[in-house]
Amino acid sequence: AQSVTQLGSHVSVSEGALVLLRCNYSSSVPPYLFWYVQYPNQGLQLLLKYTSAATLVKGINGFEAEFKKSETSFHLTKPSAHMSDAAEYFCAVSAPRGNEKLTFGTGTRLTIIP
Amino acid sequence: KAGVTQTPRYLIKTRGQQVTLSCSPISGHRSVSWYQQTPGQGLQFLFEYFSETQRNKGNFPGRFSGRQFSNSRSEMNVSTLELGDSALYLCASSSGQGAPNYGYTFGSGTRLTVV
Repeated sequence: AQSVTQLGSHVSVSEGALVLLRCNYSSSVPPYLFWYVQYPNQGLQLLLKYTSAATLVKGINGFEAEFKKSETSFHLTKPSAHMSDAAEYFCAVSAPRGNEKLTFGTGTRLTIIP
Repeated sequence: KAGVTQTPRYLIKTRGQQVTLSCSPISGHRSVSWYQQTPGQGLQFLFEYFSETQRNKGNFPGRFSGRQFSNSRSEMNVSTLELGDSALYLCASSSGQGAPNYGYTFGSGTRLTVV
């Protein structure tokens, strides 16, 4: 079974400050890991994904995440927050083969303080 | 190219009724997955269809069903609606097998309210 845990349901950062959203995973097989973003009244948009290649993954909108097997983590970062980053962020895990589904975390709502 | 289209965007139904939601995937995509999003349970997998066959099903009661047509369009049906079925229903399309790993494209969802 696979699962992800997102630490912090709400995170607030000042505009221009570092964004750090935390995600820890549990998986019995090497996982594929994803970060998605959801803006109000919209679907989910893929930010980035880890599929067992480079451990540091760069995504859209200046976000990146690092896969750390020893810490079972896949935290999302952005060096400088922008007002447009305010949204809900979801970490998700899937298996390389098999269940054909994503298991999502509970989400982190990011607020940007002007 | 056009994205994933879900219709309708908003729906209000009464307890006990049934509802059908529609999803048109990106052209050429053969996999369609459905997820339910609620404040209490978060995002939960409902089922996935590939080339008109249901490949995987989540842990939902039999009131939730779906199908996929030869043009890859998919519908999901919920019968005997309950208040707890109020949710945002998201459809995601993908090009191939191992659907999430090829990258989902999500639609904007159908917000169902059961009164």
